[in-house]
Amino acid sequence: DIQMTQSPSALSASVGDRVTITCRASESISTWLAWYQQKPGKAPNLLIYNASTLQSGAPSRFSGSGSGTEFTLTITNLQPNDFATYYCQQYKSYPWTFGQGTKVEIK
Amino acid sequence: QVQLQESGPGLVKPSQTLSLTCTVSGGSMSSGSYYWSWVRQPAGKGLEWIGRIYTTGSTNYNPSLKNRVTMSVDTSKNQFSLRLSSVTATDTAVYYCARFAYGGYADYWGQGTLVTVSS
Repeated sequence: DIQMTQSPSALSASVGDRVTITCRASESISTWLAWYQQKPGKAPNLLIYNASTLQSGAPSRFSGSGSGTEFTLTITNLQPNDFATYYCQQYKSYPWTFGQGTKVEIK
Repeated sequence: QVQLQESGPGLVKPSQTLSLTCTVSGGSMSSGSYYWSWVRQPAGKGLEWIGRIYTTGSTNYNPSLKNRVTMSVDTSKNQFSLRLSSVTATDTAVYYCARFAYGGYADYWGQGTLVTVSS
């Protein structure tokens, strides 16, 4: 299985900040990577796919980059609605696997 | 707008079989190239992909579930189902059904249903 490791596991940030979350794959996954946002008690919501393509309806302050084994999700101008947990997911090969999550909390 | 809704028992006894159904509305499951999947999340933990099924019946399962998983699809009812046998307390989780776009990212999710394994 391809292991996905996110860092940090949690971070504190203020409204207006720029936040970067890293996701590393245990082997190359090209750009077969998605990012999701999940709020408590809710299903995950797709933000980014193919490493850098913004899902329709997702705010433009979210961006993704990377290829191979290292990827980043960047949130510019953090908004109150962005405090949530973020997951990366690889779909290069089965079983599809998720990172352990990064919780973005209010400072 | 595609919508997915999970249904099934919220309580299952240990060693029995967990059975869930996902009903898809707002479009035919047979339209487009999509995988229909189950993902679960134990309380306070991360997401685990269980498996996926295509409308042809083709499946892929997570080997971590050691042959306990069976998925099926009924396109006439626009539904797909999950069966997980020999459950234990570690199978207690919120179970989500989701549509994965061809490639493997989930663009639509159900709201999730909590399944507790307890006697």
